[in-house]
Amino acid sequence: AQSVAQPEDQVNVAEGNPLTVKCTYSVSGNPYLFWYVQYPNRGLQFLLKYITGDNLVKGSYGFEAEFNKSQTSFHLKKPSALVSDSALYFCAVRDLGSNDYKLSFGAGTTVTVRA
Amino acid sequence: NAGVTQTPKFRILKIGQSMTLQCTQDMNHNYMYWYRQDPGMGLKLIYYSVGAGITDKGEVPNGYNVSRSTTEDFPLRLELAAPSQTSVYFCASEGQELNQPQHFGDGTRLSIL
Repeated sequence: AQSVAQPEDQVNVAEGNPLTVKCTYSVSGNPYLFWYVQYPNRGLQFLLKYITGDNLVKGSYGFEAEFNKSQTSFHLKKPSALVSDSALYFCAVRDLGSNDYKLSFGAGTTVTVRA
Repeated sequence: NAGVTQTPKFRILKIGQSMTLQCTQDMNHNYMYWYRQDPGMGLKLIYYSVGAGITDKGEVPNGYNVSRSTTEDFPLRLELAAPSQTSVYFCASEGQELNQPQHFGDGTRLSIL
């Protein structure tokens, strides 16, 4: 069965500094990978996805993520963080090698960007 | 375009009471899901549906029931509320193309006292 790990519960950065949120996954086949963001008292909002093709994918709000098949990772990055990026971030995976098509979510990483 | 709408947004129940959490989507999506979110635990799948009249259990179905009589609606029922069901509940939907993201409602925050 597929699984996702977000090794950091919290990430703290200063505004203007680079932001990285880590995600590793385990699947039996090829993965579809997704990043979502959750603001307080809101549902999850889609940021970006990797399906196939270029390993570097760009998404909403200046975020990007790099797919690394050999390291089974899909880290989320932003070159210059904003205070408004403070939120809870979830990585999710769908295993195309499984007949179970459902998404598996990581436990989430809380990002705090200080002014 | 409203997307996924959940009602109510907040609710407090007493132990043993029952209630239905409503979820409706206007995107004509076949697949719908119910998750619960507990602090530090991510999202756990309760029930899901691949179309009207078809539902199945997820990871944590005990204490819950669902129905799917239409494509748009996917209500979640708690029959005998227990403190362990205190959580935030999210409904999500997606189309049949699995390379597309799920769309989430804003959640129902439920406390069982």
